[in-house]
Amino acid sequence: KAGVTQTPRYLIKTRGQQVTLSCSPISGHRSVSWYQQTPGQGLQFLFEYFSETQRNKGNFPGRFSGRQFSNSRSEMNVSTLELGDSALYLCASSLAGGLRTDTQYFGPGTRLTVL
Amino acid sequence: KQEVTQIPAALSVPEGENLVLNCSFTDSAIYNLQWFRQDPGKGLTSLLLIQSSQREQTSGRLNASLDKSSGRSTLYIAASQPGDSATYLCAVSSGGGADGLTFGKGTHLIIQP
Repeated sequence: KAGVTQTPRYLIKTRGQQVTLSCSPISGHRSVSWYQQTPGQGLQFLFEYFSETQRNKGNFPGRFSGRQFSNSRSEMNVSTLELGDSALYLCASSLAGGLRTDTQYFGPGTRLTVL
Repeated sequence: KQEVTQIPAALSVPEGENLVLNCSFTDSAIYNLQWFRQDPGKGLTSLLLIQSSQREQTSGRLNASLDKSSGRSTLYIAASQPGDSATYLCAVSSGGGADGLTFGKGTHLIIQP
């Protein structure tokens, strides 16, 4: 069974631009969550999607948004990029129970650099 | 707000030793606790998931325990190998899931051959 895939793996953007990251969950998984990892703050939760609906949201500004499609694939978008958005963005997928009950399987991440 | 602390931040031991990694959390109202490993520049690999009603989980040389009332978990690694070298992260699910997973900063483990 294929694991969680994320595209692209690396991105370089400039301040003020926007970016879209993609995550394809493990087949049969319906919950997708997103995380930001930085050296200073560690791993921080962005949001969780289930059945095309945002189920939970972390404490990030509205510039960070996401969506989920009917095939459970998910995208996250960051608008008006800032230098501090440079990070490794990880997504994780799990069965329907999501964060409350199920093992989270992580993808390799997208490394975003904002210049 | 849930906070997760991992001690020690770094650990270096010779191959073959048994070792214990510690994780503590401030709010005992959790759904589950999960241990991960992360290799440099890579994503996270799930090691063990302990539901709040469970006391421990085992997988191969790994054993994780959970004491929810005291807000503690330990990850025991038996007969360590150089391939165990990685950063180990613990994460708790709490707050009705609204907090997502709250992660500790990790323990950077080096196993010397």
